[in-house]
Amino acid sequence: AAGVIQSPRHLIKEKRETATLKCYPIPRHDTVYWYQQGPGQDPQFLISFYEKMQSDKGSIPDRFSAQQFSDYHSELNMSSLELGDSALYFCASSLGDRTVGEQYFGPGTRLTVT
Amino acid sequence: GESVGLHLPTLSVQEGDNSIINCAYSNSASDYFIWYKQESGKGPQFIIDIRSNMDKRQGQRVTVLLNKTVKHLSLQIAATQPGDSAVYFCAETQSNFGNEKLTFGTGTRLTIIP
Repeated sequence: AAGVIQSPRHLIKEKRETATLKCYPIPRHDTVYWYQQGPGQDPQFLISFYEKMQSDKGSIPDRFSAQQFSDYHSELNMSSLELGDSALYFCASSLGDRTVGEQYFGPGTRLTVT
Repeated sequence: GESVGLHLPTLSVQEGDNSIINCAYSNSASDYFIWYKQESGKGPQFIIDIRSNMDKRQGQRVTVLLNKTVKHLSLQIAATQPGDSAVYFCAETQSNFGNEKLTFGTGTRLTIIP
């Protein structure tokens, strides 16, 4: 079965650079969530989209922005990168038109800021 | 490879024994709970879920118990196998059409001893 696809899987950037992370949800899933997981930490919710509209916002820095496109894929744009942004970034997708259902997670993008 | 959860609570269990992983959740308004398994360098993988109108749910080798009075979840894994070694997270959310961000609890690293 198709799973959530994230690219790139690994990314190394320097401080103050920008990065773009991409997420391709499971086909027919219309809801995308982004989570950040620092070393030894629990995943923390950043932002979500339902039917291409932002549905909720968590602890996402103002330096980050995201959007969901007409094909339901999503991109997380990160600017003025800081060392503390080094983390695993997960995307999850679900069907938003059902009573609460499973969120399926992608393999993550490991961002290292040097 | 990279380790997830370097400073997490740990539980070591002999192969073939049963294990119980506990989790306290924070939001009394949460009505849907999920257990995830996360292997090193991978995204969280759905194990089992439970809605707030239930207090027990069984899957294949796993059972989740929910005690809403004390806001406590537990995951029981029967006849543990080496492949069960991973970090386990509980997550909570509120049913909300198209917006079901997950709040993760502190993970527990389960190690199965051969």
